[in-house]
Amino acid sequence: QVRLVESGGGVVQPGRSLRLSCAASGFSFSSYGIHWVRQAPGKGLEWVAVISFDGSKKYYADYVKGRFIISRDNSKNTLYLQMNSLRPEDTAMYYCAKESILAAGTSDYWGQGTLVTVSS
Amino acid sequence: EIVLTQSPGTLSLSPGERATLSCRASQSVTSSNLAWYQQKPGQPPRLLIYGASSRATGIPDRFSGSGSGTEFSLTISRLEPEDFAVYYCQQYGSSPLTFGGGTKVEIK
Repeated sequence: QVRLVESGGGVVQPGRSLRLSCAASGFSFSSYGIHWVRQAPGKGLEWVAVISFDGSKKYYADYVKGRFIISRDNSKNTLYLQMNSLRPEDTAMYYCAKESILAAGTSDYWGQGTLVTVSS
Repeated sequence: EIVLTQSPGTLSLSPGERATLSCRASQSVTSSNLAWYQQKPGQPPRLLIYGASSRATGIPDRFSGSGSGTEFSLTISRLEPEDFAVYYCQQYGSSPLTFGGGTKVEIK
């Protein structure tokens, strides 16, 4: 079955960097776009970034543009999110989510998330 | 950026009742590219509806979506105990993708 497992979260000081990973299995990873979506504690969902199936197209939300980089390694079935210049407002659960074949832009499978806390 | 406003913030209903959730967009959503998700505590979101009115795989037919342009709604015809959760709308017709603030459906 489809499985997405995020890792790499933790506590980091403001201004520092962190790299998240998302290991995928149970589907043809190299055929699908993948999103990062975050959720601050007790708050709503916030889209972060998306990468196309082959990595050629990447789009970011304004609040992470220039600081975060989404990438993928299709040979390893793994998605990444390099987060630089972290801010306290980046504190959130970060989910990776597979794009639905029925509607590009929606996500039909999600990981359980990895928690990032930005604090001094 | 398209801003999505969901109402009400909280809906207090009893099992068996009908729930109607609203999602209003700040500008027209391209090609009705509007989705609904359900999220329960400690779990990731679950896709319910895409294309404003199409149910995702495995979603019971008590869930239905409607609307176009800037006004959309999600209806749960008869609430089951497992339906009490937070619901989010999302537009995916234009970048950046955006989510509404959510509606919590709680047991009355």
